Amino acid sequence: AQSVTQLGSHVSVSEGALVLLRCNYSSSVPPYLFWYVQYPNQGLQLLLKYTSAATLVKGINGFEAEFKKSETSFHLTKPSAHMSDAAEYFCAAPNQAGTALIFGKGTTLSVSS
Amino acid sequence: DGGITQSPKYLFRKEGQNVTLSCEQNLNHDAMYWYRQDPGQGLRLIYYSQIVNDFQKGDIAEGYSVSREKKESFPLTVTSAQKNPTAFYLCASSIHSQMNTEAFFGQGTRLTVV
Repeated sequence: AQSVTQLGSHVSVSEGALVLLRCNYSSSVPPYLFWYVQYPNQGLQLLLKYTSAATLVKGINGFEAEFKKSETSFHLTKPSAHMSDAAEYFCAAPNQAGTALIFGKGTTLSVSS
Repeated sequence: DGGITQSPKYLFRKEGQNVTLSCEQNLNHDAMYWYRQDPGQGLRLIYYSQIVNDFQKGDIAEGYSVSREKKESFPLTVTSAQKNPTAFYLCASSIHSQMNTEAFFGQGTRLTVV
């Protein structure tokens, strides 16, 4: 069955430091993968998506993610954290039937000055 | 502006009552979804609809019901059978039901049982 695992429920970085949020997926077929961001009491906003066109995907707000099939990973990175990046981040992939997205449990990113 | 509108933003329910959460989209999307979000649990799929007049149970459908009479509307009813309804509910839509395209989300409804 398809599943998405986010390693680390909380990540703390200093402003200007590298951001790395980890996501691993399980599937026997090439996936479509997504990263979403959620600010408090709001809906989810798409950061970026992988749809087999390129393994390195660039998204909004300076974020990018690299699809690594050998590692079944799709980690999210940003070279330099801003205070405004503090939010909850979700990795998502289609369910086995391809009819809806399934989500990881989320990683809360804290950014300190 | 196109988007997904959920209402109300906050909702309080007495135990034993049914409540209905509204979700409207003007994106002309075929597929719509309801998710429940609890702290540390991520998003869990309640129901989804791929076309008008059709919907399917998700992973946690017990205690919930939906309808899809119009393309733009997908209301969710939380029934008295739902044992622990306090949560943040998110509605989403996608252009079609094949999940190689992203889902767009509303701003959510926070339901509290009092």
